[in-house]
Parts: sequence; C-alpha cells; structure tokens
Amino acid sequence: SQTIHQWPATLVQPVGSPLSLECTVEGTSNPNLYWYRQAAGRGLQLLFYSVGIGQISSEVPQNLSASRPQDRQFILSSKKLLLSDSGFYLCAWSVGVGTEAFFGQGTRLTVV
Amino acid sequence: AQSVTQLGSHVSVSEGALVLLRCNYSSSVPPYLFWYVQYPNQGLQLLLKYTSAATLVKGINGFEAEFKKSETSFHLTKPSAHMSDAAEYFCAVTSYSSASKIIFGSGTRLSIRP
Repeated sequence: SQTIHQWPATLVQPVGSPLSLECTVEGTSNPNLYWYRQAAGRGLQLLFYSVGIGQISSEVPQNLSASRPQDRQFILSSKKLLLSDSGFYLCAWSVGVGTEAFFGQGTRLTVV
Repeated sequence: AQSVTQLGSHVSVSEGALVLLRCNYSSSVPPYLFWYVQYPNQGLQLLLKYTSAATLVKGINGFEAEFKKSETSFHLTKPSAHMSDAAEYFCAVTSYSSASKIIFGSGTRLSIRP
C-alpha cells in the first residue's frame, strides 16, 4: 500500500534562517506531488505541484521554493524565513489527473 | 480557472441533528469534486469523491454529497450528527484540464452541541 512521510512534525525557526521540509511517498511510481500551506482561517493554499522529476509549478510568488530530486521525494525550501511563513505545511500526492490527493500529517512551522 | 466557495466558516449543530455543509464550484469543464475532513493538527482524510458517475455520492462515516450541475453545488450532508464529527471540512475541485492542480476551499469548522 502507498504511504506518505512528512517531517518534521513541528519546527521553530528564527527569522532569516533557512528551511528544508521533506516529503517522501512509498508504494507508487511517478506520483503527482503537492505542497500546501494552511494558515488560520484561510483554508489550504496550493504552493507548488509537480507532475515529474524536476518539473515544478509555482502557484503563488513567495519566499519559498520546491524541488523534486527523485521520483517520490518533494522538498520545500527557503533561504531566509519571514514571520509570514509561519503555518501548517502539508504534503500530498495523487496518482494522476482527476484523482484525489492523499495527505501527510503536516509540519507546524513557527517563525520567531 | 477553477475555484470552490464554502459558505459558512463555522457551522454549529446539535448532536443528532442534520449536518449540511455547503460547497459551490466554478469550472468551465466537467469537474471532479472531493470532500475532506481534518482533525486538529493532522492531515486531511478523504470523505468522498465525485468523478462523473452517480450524482449522489456516499462516503465514510455516514456522509454523502450530491452533485448538482445546474446549481454548481456539491453540498455535504449527514442525517444525524455525532460528537465525533466535530472537525474542519474542506471541499476541493480538479479536472482533466487543470494540469493536476487540486484547489481547496477555505474550509468549514463543524461544531457539535451536546
């Protein structure tokens, strides 16, 4: 069966520090991969999605970037965190166009 | 571009009462629609999905939703609320023309009164 791993579960980082959140999927090949951010009262905002290795689509201009170095690995990064980057970050995967997404357990990021 | 609108950021019902969570979508092509549930500090769990088959879709935990093209709606219902239904609920949309993007609504927090 397919599983998705996302870590760490919680993270407290100072303003201006770098960020790296990692997500891996097991049990499937060539999944679509997603990064969402959830801020209080604002629902889920799609940040990045990828349909293949090295193929990244950015939805919102921001202080973040994403990379997909391997088929089932998706990384969310920042060179210098801002206070506004605080939130709950969720990684997800789907098998293809028109299918549902399956979510990881999320990372609670607090920038101080 | 596709979008979903969830009317009501917070809905409160009594235990045993009908649950109705509203979702309206915007899509120029046939949509695929989903409802998810999120418990505090957890990821999202799929409740049900509409993929152009039956318009009345049954999901887990006694929830169901009806796709109404004429109203561009996909409202979530449950005949009798349980305390364990208290959570945040999200409606989402995608399609074959969306390049695999899945767009979520702003969510509705469901509270259950004893």
